Amino acid sequence: ETGVTQSPTHLIKTRGQQVTLRCSSQSGHNTVSWYQQALGQGPQFIFQYYREEENGRGNFPPRFSGLQFPNYSSELNVNALELDDSALYLCASSFGGGRARATEAFFGQGTRLTVV
Amino acid sequence: KQEVTQIPAALSVPEGENLVLNCSFTDSAIYNLQWFRQDPGKGLTSLLLIQSSQREQTSGRLNASLDKSSGRSTLYIAASQPGDSATYLCAAFPDQGGKLIFGQGTELSVKP
Repeated sequence: ETGVTQSPTHLIKTRGQQVTLRCSSQSGHNTVSWYQQALGQGPQFIFQYYREEENGRGNFPPRFSGLQFPNYSSELNVNALELDDSALYLCASSFGGGRARATEAFFGQGTRLTVV
Repeated sequence: KQEVTQIPAALSVPEGENLVLNCSFTDSAIYNLQWFRQDPGKGLTSLLLIQSSQREQTSGRLNASLDKSSGRSTLYIAASQPGDSATYLCAAFPDQGGKLIFGQGTELSVKP
């Protein structure tokens, strides 16, 4: 059974650029959620994907978008990067979502994004 | 709106001490509660998941309890070790869809 993997592990981008982060969910899981964690803070929910559709969104602007693929892997895209987007981006996979009760969430190692 | 709070924000204890980390949530209508460990700059490692119908879960030296009526969960760590030094986060599932609401975390330091 493979765990949750994220790529890349570190990334440096310039303000105004666009970035794509990737996540492979754990085997058997059909739901992927993305979180942003600023230094010294708890993770904040960005959005969740279940069966390739967005299934809930936190308080993030539309320039944060995502995709989920048929194999349940996922991408997080951020356009027009701002300095405040610098954070650790975490991906979590679970089984459930939609109307089903979600099981335990497992997280990847995160992508550290620095915007300069 | 569900809010999760963890107290204290930081804790330093000598090796061997038993300790309790606290987590409180404002809305008792949660489905599950999960405790995580996070090492500096790393992802989250799941420690324990307590389902809404349960009152506690145990794994090795860790025991987590859940009291929905009072909006509280505690993580008990027995015989602490320097390797337990990390940030501990609790997170509530406010609905069955699996979105997590996190506390700010408790940074634990266990001194040899």
